[in-house]
Amino acid sequence: GDSVTQMEGPVTLSEEAFLTINCTYTATGYPSLFWYVQYPGEGLQLLLKATKADDKGSNKGFEATYRKETTSFHLEKGSVQVSDSAVYFCALTLGSGAGSYQLTFGKGTKLSVIP
Amino acid sequence: KAGVTQTPRYLIKTRGQQVTLSCSPISGHRSVSWYQQTPGQGLQFLFEYFSETQRNKGNFPGRFSGRQFSNSRSEMNVSTLELGDSALYLCASSFGRQETQYFGPGTRLLVL
Repeated sequence: GDSVTQMEGPVTLSEEAFLTINCTYTATGYPSLFWYVQYPGEGLQLLLKATKADDKGSNKGFEATYRKETTSFHLEKGSVQVSDSAVYFCALTLGSGAGSYQLTFGKGTKLSVIP
Repeated sequence: KAGVTQTPRYLIKTRGQQVTLSCSPISGHRSVSWYQQTPGQGLQFLFEYFSETQRNKGNFPGRFSGRQFSNSRSEMNVSTLELGDSALYLCASSFGRQETQYFGPGTRLLVL
């Protein structure tokens, strides 16, 4: 079945460090890929998305590129801030024709940024 | 535009009781999906509603049910609560079935 694998956390970084959170997927067809972020005590917020191969999603300094050849969608940010501390989820949905549009999530990666 | 709203935000119930959670989607959104989040199982899909019809269901027992009204608002019901039903229940809405899903703040259910 379809699945998403994220790097294990927690990840602890100093402010202004470079962030990479790895995400790989297994899916039939051509999925759309997402990164969601969850701050403590809150629901999920869409961070960025990409719907086809080689698309780059970006938002708030975060970027991720849809790599079909490596089935990956790694999240990156050049300089993290304390306010980026949260849990990050990689997710996919299958494309049209699949009959199912549910999100399949990775287990999440907790990021802590220290001043 | 207002986001997805969920009520109540917190609930405490005892085993054997039933509970109903409510979700109001973003205005104009017609698709509503529900997810359960637990520390052990992570985020799991419960069901999806579109045009008042359940379109897809996850691997959950029949104690979990839902419905969608003509104004796209949705409710989910859990009957005969078990301790393992303690979780954060998240609702997400989208304009159409294939569109990006936007989440509400969730309802945190504690079963004692």
